[in-house]
Amino acid sequence: EAQVTQNPRYLITVTGKKLTVTCSQNMNHEYMSWYRQDPGLGLRQIYYSMNVEVTDKGDVPEGYKVSRKEKRNFPLILESPSPNQTSLYFCATANAGSNEKLFFGSGTQLSVL
Amino acid sequence: QKEVEQNSGPLSVPEGAIASLNCTYSDRVSQSFFWYRQYSGKSPELIMSIYSNGDKEDGRFTAQLNKASQYVSLLIRDSQPSDSATYLCAVEEPGGSYIPTFGRGTSLIVHP
Repeated sequence: EAQVTQNPRYLITVTGKKLTVTCSQNMNHEYMSWYRQDPGLGLRQIYYSMNVEVTDKGDVPEGYKVSRKEKRNFPLILESPSPNQTSLYFCATANAGSNEKLFFGSGTQLSVL
Repeated sequence: QKEVEQNSGPLSVPEGAIASLNCTYSDRVSQSFFWYRQYSGKSPELIMSIYSNGDKEDGRFTAQLNKASQYVSLLIRDSQPSDSATYLCAVEEPGGSYIPTFGRGTSLIVHP
């Protein structure tokens, strides 16, 4: 079954404590991306990757890091989380090229206290 | 800065009516347009895509695209309470790489 697996589903942490949200896909997709979703602001892209070892900033990259060492994995790293990073996060994947639909993970609800 | 605009709603329609959701975009060279449905607390899922001017129908859903007016819409016929969700419009950059810009979404409520 085609899947985008995102973990954890819920996470409560404190300011400054490093955390990683994992994303893994089994569809051999080249494109992977991270979004955050906040009420009234919609989906905003944090980082994306077109292939292994290729990553680029999206619209709101500050305070986040990513890596793409393997095709299937694209972790999101918050080195020093702050309360303004409290949000719902989604990983998404797609085949490279035009007109491809995005497959989303189930989301991670992050609360930074 | 590319922009995709949607009325946040909520749009409230009675069961059985036609729901009309609208989206405008700023980048005139955009070529691909998508509608995603997102239930509360869930991830978005693609329901329609459209690439050329005109209408595209899939069951109760019709997507309409007017590139000259930079306008894309989604019609839902015979609306059901199960259609109550947020609908996200996404517009793809031209150039062959998949980097969509999302609108903020329109909340639809279908009441019995």
